Amino acid sequence: DQQVKQNSPSLSVQEGRISILNCDYTNSMFDYFLWYKKYPAEGPTFLISISSIKDKNEDGRFTVFLNKSAKHLSLHIVPSQPGDSAVYFCAASSGTYKYIFGTGTRLKVLA
Amino acid sequence: GAVVSQHPSWVICKSGTSVKIECRSLDFQATTMFWYRQFPKQSLMLMATSNEGSKATYEQGVEKDKFLINHASLTLSTLTVTSAHPEDSSFYICSAGGTSGRYNEQFFGPGTRLTVL
Repeated sequence: DQQVKQNSPSLSVQEGRISILNCDYTNSMFDYFLWYKKYPAEGPTFLISISSIKDKNEDGRFTVFLNKSAKHLSLHIVPSQPGDSAVYFCAASSGTYKYIFGTGTRLKVLA
Repeated sequence: GAVVSQHPSWVICKSGTSVKIECRSLDFQATTMFWYRQFPKQSLMLMATSNEGSKATYEQGVEKDKFLINHASLTLSTLTVTSAHPEDSSFYICSAGGTSGRYNEQFFGPGTRLTVL
């Protein structure tokens, strides 16, 4: 049972445009959500997070939106840069350190 | 952010041997550490959660006798893959939970690539 899903395995975006990565979850007990960026053969790097009491959190080029009623979150990257090309994982937590990761979306930013 | 190291970064071993992977939190005390496994083009799958000084909690389907986890101190956790087989070849990543000020923060290590011949 995949509690956190990223339905798009890959996404290609032109440099300078907006990248939108989506994530859906099923467990209504999740109260904290995170986005990680990962390069091959490296550990994940934290990008941005959001608590369930908020619906938006912004950090530089990265913005995460949370729609609790739809159990959906998205990561917006504006403007997209070639260095953003990586696999992006969303993760969810329910009051503990334990994270459930999504299946990942491979983003390719074209120069 | 906090730094977590893993050693070795890659290891090749023969089938039937045991391999130990170390995970260290370098600049903070980690009361909880996590071990993940990632197969190519797949998600990070949580294998087990370890708390300092107590037995690890394994996820469903993970053999605790095969993947031995020891969290002997607040800065070190080890994962030993016993009697490794080719199907154990994977990328193993640890993370450490700490009181960084962020809610439920986990800091990830760089990962260890295990190849079993």
